Amino acid sequence: DQQVKQNSPSLSVQEGRISILNCDYTNSMFDYFLWYKKYPAEGPTFLISISSIKDKNEDGRFTVFLNKSAKHLSLHIVPSQPGDSAVYFCAALYGGSNYKLTFGKGTLLTVNP
Amino acid sequence: DGGITQSPKYLFRKEGQNVTLSCEQNLNHDAMYWYRQDPGQGLRLIYYSQIVNDFQKGDIAEGYSVSREKKESFPLTVTSAQKNPTAFYLCASTVAGRPEKLFFGSGTQLSVL
Repeated sequence: DQQVKQNSPSLSVQEGRISILNCDYTNSMFDYFLWYKKYPAEGPTFLISISSIKDKNEDGRFTVFLNKSAKHLSLHIVPSQPGDSAVYFCAALYGGSNYKLTFGKGTLLTVNP
Repeated sequence: DGGITQSPKYLFRKEGQNVTLSCEQNLNHDAMYWYRQDPGQGLRLIYYSQIVNDFQKGDIAEGYSVSREKKESFPLTVTSAQKNPTAFYLCASTVAGRPEKLFFGSGTQLSVL
């Protein structure tokens, strides 16, 4: 049973436009959500996170939105840059899980110059 | 510079052989984790350790073993019982209670000869 779902395996956008990556979850106990960025043959790096008590968190070009009623979150990248091309993983956890993260399968973002 | 070091970068396993993947961190982190990534899949938790001399099974622990004799080190052994070991293995560490501070190593690609 996949508790964190990223239904789009890939996304292609033009440089300067907005990239929107989506993530759905099924476990209502999740109370903290994170996005990671990963290049091939490297470890993921933390990008941005959001607590379930918020509905938006912003850091520079990156904004994460959380809709708890829909169990849905999204990552917005504006403006998109070619260096943003990577796989983006959505992850979730809850306090009683010993801080174990549950990851989605990832979305490959390609930003075309 | 502080960080997580995984070695080797590439590893080949023969049939029936046990192999050990190294993970060392000098971040003074308490918690360490091992994840496995398969193509088109998210990261799946193998084992984790919150403190020295203690570790717990993750979601896919069968065929793997770990030890945590030192705070800095968390080696993973892929035993002959793991029938499908070919994957990209990622080690991570974090300060207890700070999931957004999860740092990943650069990974080890294990292949079967």
